[in-house]
Amino acid sequence: DQQVKQNSPSLSVQEGRISILNCDYTNSMFDYFLWYKKYPAEGPTFLISISSIKDKNEDGRFTVFLNKSAKHLSLHIVPSQPGDSAVYFCAASAFTGGTSYGKLTFGQGTILTVHP
Amino acid sequence: EAQVTQNPRYLITVTGKKLTVTCSQNMNHEYMSWYRQDPGLGLRQIYYSMNVEVTDKGDVPEGYKVSRKEKRNFPLILESPSPNQTSLYFCASSNPMETQYFGPGTRLLVL
Repeated sequence: DQQVKQNSPSLSVQEGRISILNCDYTNSMFDYFLWYKKYPAEGPTFLISISSIKDKNEDGRFTVFLNKSAKHLSLHIVPSQPGDSAVYFCAASAFTGGTSYGKLTFGQGTILTVHP
Repeated sequence: EAQVTQNPRYLITVTGKKLTVTCSQNMNHEYMSWYRQDPGLGLRQIYYSMNVEVTDKGDVPEGYKVSRKEKRNFPLILESPSPNQTSLYFCASSNPMETQYFGPGTRLLVL
């Protein structure tokens, strides 16, 4: 049972345009959401996160939007750059006291390609 | 430099031959985790540890063992590897309520 889903395996965007990556979740206990970026032959690196008490978080070119009622979040990259080409993973966690975000559930990932 | 290291980075083995993948972090993090990445499935958590001598199962623990005898180390043990454990493995660490830092990955092939 995939509790976090990224339904688009890949996305291709022109340099300078907006990239929108989507993620859906089913577990209503999730209250903290993260996006990780992964280049080939490297481990995932943290990009941006959002708590369920917010509906938007912005960091430079990256903005994450959370729609709790739809159980949906999205990552917007504006403007997209060729260096943004990577696999993007959405992840979710639930504050359960003991684990305190130690347990992450990841989506399948979306391959973003930004063309010059 | 703050980092999570894994060894080996690449490993080819045969079914049934016990192996250990080591993971070490130098950030004094309390939490450590192991994940495997498979095509179309993303990263799935195998085991995690909240502190020394405290471990718990993740989503796909079958066929794996872990131990946390020291804060900095969290080895992943495959007692009797099988071909379905061929995968890309990542170790990660963090402090409570903080984001996880990932190692570079270990690519395992079980023949």
